[in-house]
Amino acid sequence: DQQVKQNSPSLSVQEGRISILNCDYTNSMFDYFLWYKKYPAEGPTFLISISSIKDKNEDGRFTVFLNKSAKHLSLHIVPSQPGDSAVYFCAASGNSGGSNYKLTFGKGTLLTVNP
Amino acid sequence: KAGVTQTPRYLIKTRGQQVTLSCSPISGHRSVSWYQQTPGQGLQFLFEYFSETQRNKGNFPGRFSGRQFSNSRSEMNVSTLELGDSALYLCASTFDRVKGELFFGEGSRLTVL
Repeated sequence: DQQVKQNSPSLSVQEGRISILNCDYTNSMFDYFLWYKKYPAEGPTFLISISSIKDKNEDGRFTVFLNKSAKHLSLHIVPSQPGDSAVYFCAASGNSGGSNYKLTFGKGTLLTVNP
Repeated sequence: KAGVTQTPRYLIKTRGQQVTLSCSPISGHRSVSWYQQTPGQGLQFLFEYFSETQRNKGNFPGRFSGRQFSNSRSEMNVSTLELGDSALYLCASTFDRVKGELFFGEGSRLTVL
């Protein structure tokens, strides 16, 4: 039962253009949605998040959009840079019972930004 | 502030052996989570410890276990290793368990022969 899905294993864009990474979820009880970025041989690093009560959050070149009715979120990177080339993981945080919270990850999308 | 530290970074074991991985969280972080990363499967949640108690557990067999010490350092153990246990094991710590902003270590790369 995969509650967080990233249906595109890879995405390739040109430097300077927009990168759009997509994520779908099935559990409407998630409280926060997050994006993590991972370079090879390193641990993932937190990029940006959005509360379930918001529909947009922006941080510099990165914007996350949340469409609760469609259970869909996306990460926009504008403009894309070669250094953005990495695996991007979508994640969702929700209560797993009592005061416990659990973060569920998608399988990741490999973004390649070509110079 | 020092980041999350995992040891060892790389290790090779044979089937049937056991392994212990260690994680030192960021100072002040009381929650430590463990994830398994394999190609094509993304990040699979193993378990989370908070204040020395396991708070969440993923869908892994009982061969996978962990613990947390009073200084928040954590260890995970895998017994009777199988070839399929070859993976990158990532530890993450956080001070905000609700928002899920985890700080990851660089991981321990386990190869089972």
